[in-house]
Amino acid sequence: DQQVKQNSPSLSVQEGRISILNCDYTNSMFDYFLWYKKYPAEGPTFLISISSIKDKNEDGRFTVFLNKSAKHLSLHIVPSQPGDSAVYFCAASSTSGTYKYIFGTGTRLKVLA
Amino acid sequence: NAGVTQTPKFQVLKTGQSMTLQCAQDMNHNSMYWYRQDPGMGLRLIYYSASEGTTDKGEVPNGYNVSRLNKREFSLRLESAAPSQTSVYFCASSEHGYTFGSGTRLTVV
Repeated sequence: DQQVKQNSPSLSVQEGRISILNCDYTNSMFDYFLWYKKYPAEGPTFLISISSIKDKNEDGRFTVFLNKSAKHLSLHIVPSQPGDSAVYFCAASSTSGTYKYIFGTGTRLKVLA
Repeated sequence: NAGVTQTPKFQVLKTGQSMTLQCAQDMNHNSMYWYRQDPGMGLRLIYYSASEGTTDKGEVPNGYNVSRLNKREFSLRLESAAPSQTSVYFCASSEHGYTFGSGTRLTVV
């Protein structure tokens, strides 16, 4: 049973436009969420996080939105750049225990120049 | 500024062979993790260690063993490799968010 789901395996966006990556979770105990970016042949790198006490967190071109009632989070990238082309993973954890994250299956973003 | 270092980067094993994947971190993190990444499956947790001296199973522990040698090092051992263990393996350490190593690409033939 996949507790964290990324239902879009891939997404193509024109350079300069907005990229929206979605993530759904099923476990109501999850209260901390991360987005990671992964380039080929490299380890995932941290992008942005959000705690369940917030519904939005912004860092430059990256904004994460959290809708707790829908158990849904999304990552917005504005404007999208070719260097953003990568696989994006969302991850969720319950901070009441060990920071043991459950990852989604990833969305491959391609930003077209 | 090494962060998390994994060795080796690539390995080919024959079915039934054993090997140990090494991981070391220099950030003084308490928690360390081993994940595997497979196409369409995302990152799945194999084992983790919340602190030195403790280890626990994750989602997919079968066929693996781990050792938390000290605070810096967390190794993953395959006692008898199987083709189903062909994957990319990532080690991570954390206080809150993870810092990942660059991965070990393992092929079992």
